[in-house]
Amino acid sequence: AQSVTQLGSHVSVSEGALVLLRCNYSSSVPPYLFWYVQYPNQGLQLLLKYTSAATLVKGINGFEAEFKKSETSFHLTKPSAHMSDAAEYFCAVTHQGAGNMLTFGGGTRLMVKP
Amino acid sequence: NAGVTQTPKFRILKIGQSMTLQCAQDMNHNYMYWYRQDPGMGLKLIYYSVGAGITDKGEVPNGYNVSRSTTEDFPLRLELAAPSQTSVYFCASKPGFGATNTEAFFGQGTRLTVV
Repeated sequence: AQSVTQLGSHVSVSEGALVLLRCNYSSSVPPYLFWYVQYPNQGLQLLLKYTSAATLVKGINGFEAEFKKSETSFHLTKPSAHMSDAAEYFCAVTHQGAGNMLTFGGGTRLMVKP
Repeated sequence: NAGVTQTPKFRILKIGQSMTLQCAQDMNHNYMYWYRQDPGMGLKLIYYSVGAGITDKGEVPNGYNVSRSTTEDFPLRLELAAPSQTSVYFCASKPGFGATNTEAFFGQGTRLTVV
C-alpha cells in the first residue's frame, strides 16, 4: 500500500525567500505523485505531477518538485515566495489498483511574511 | 465548463438528522470519489466509484452511504449525523481505466457542522 508523509504541518517564510515543502512517500511500485494547493475555502487545485517522464517537474505559479527515488522524496520548492503563495499544500500518491484513488499526506500550511 | 459541482456549500445538522451531499461532474469521468478533510489529517477517502452502478468503501466509510446511478452524479448520504462527522467534504473525479497517472479534479467542498 502507498502512503505519504509531509514533514512540518506549518511552514513560515518571508516574502522573497526560498520555499521548501517536504514530502516522502512509501510505495512498493513506481509511484505517481502529485502536489495540490488549497486556498482558503476553496477546493484542491493541481500544482504539478510526477509520472516518470522526468525527475524534475515544473508546475504552475513557479513551483517545481524533484523526484528522488533513493530518498523516496518528492519535495516542493519555489525560489522566491510571494504573498499569494500562502495556502495549504498537499502531497499525494496514486493507488495503483482498483479505483486509482489518491492517498494524501497531512498537508503543510505555508505562511508568507511581508 | 463547470467541472465538479458540490451542493450545498455549508450546512448545519443536528445530531441524529440525515442529509445528502450532492456531487455532479460534467467531464464524463468514470471514477468519482468522496473525501473528508479534517485539520492536520489531510484528506481521507470515504467511498469511491469506478462507474455507474459500482461503488466501494474507502478508508473511513462508517456512517455514510453512496449511490451511482449515472456517470454524472455521486451523492453521499449521511444517516443519523454525529458530531464526529463535522468536517469538510470534497468530491473528486478523474477519467477511468488507464488513468493512474492523471490528476483528480475537485469540487469546492461542503462544510458540514453537526451540533
